[in-house]
Amino acid sequence: QSALTQPAAVSGSPGQSITISCTGTLSEIGGYDYVSWYQQHPGKAPKLIIYDVNNRPSGVSNRFSGSKSGNRASLTISGLQAEDEADYYCCSYTSSTTYVFGTGTKVTVL
Amino acid sequence: QVQLVESGGGSVKPGGSLRLSCAASGFSFNDVYMSWIRQAPGKGLEWLAYISLTGITISYSDSVKGRFTISRDRAKNSLFLQMNSLRAEDTAVYYCAKEGRTYFDHWGQGTLVTVSS
Repeated sequence: QSALTQPAAVSGSPGQSITISCTGTLSEIGGYDYVSWYQQHPGKAPKLIIYDVNNRPSGVSNRFSGSKSGNRASLTISGLQAEDEADYYCCSYTSSTTYVFGTGTKVTVL
Repeated sequence: QVQLVESGGGSVKPGGSLRLSCAASGFSFNDVYMSWIRQAPGKGLEWLAYISLTGITISYSDSVKGRFTISRDRAKNSLFLQMNSLRAEDTAVYYCAKEGRTYFDHWGQGTLVTVSS
């Protein structure tokens, strides 16, 4: 199972909105509404920020939102803040009853 | 609150074995699926395996199938990963994660496994 494709890096200025894409196939993203997103700060464990495409866990800022169209999922961070600087990973359930993560995106706040 | 604490990491030679443990607390361990996920130094996340509530349903990634075995002890609220035939490319931080059905809603702090001669 190949990793889902994400851009290596995305940057934006404070207050701006950025979008991270996550591209897969019909075997995972396109076949299921089971896309989740994780935020990871350096040296820390990942943290769930979006599940089932567009749902936020309790306590996660509403500046984070998710969507999906066909075989591509997206994470949008609006009102970018310095604390949003981190690595972000998408993840999907697959038709092989496994999970696959994305390649990861480093977000830089300029 | 949910706590997941991994242990058992360390250094091992290629071809060797290691058993990782994950002690769970703060939730009904017997009511959830659990997974192991790893991250090689400077690399991305890689899902490895999950195990169902009773341990009957298990799934592995192709990269570890046949070498790694996931198991759980429902009485001790513990998750395990037996790793055999270890290779240099298995060097990583290994995380246990609680599943919230189709996602990983809580993660441990990770334990480092280094495979080197």
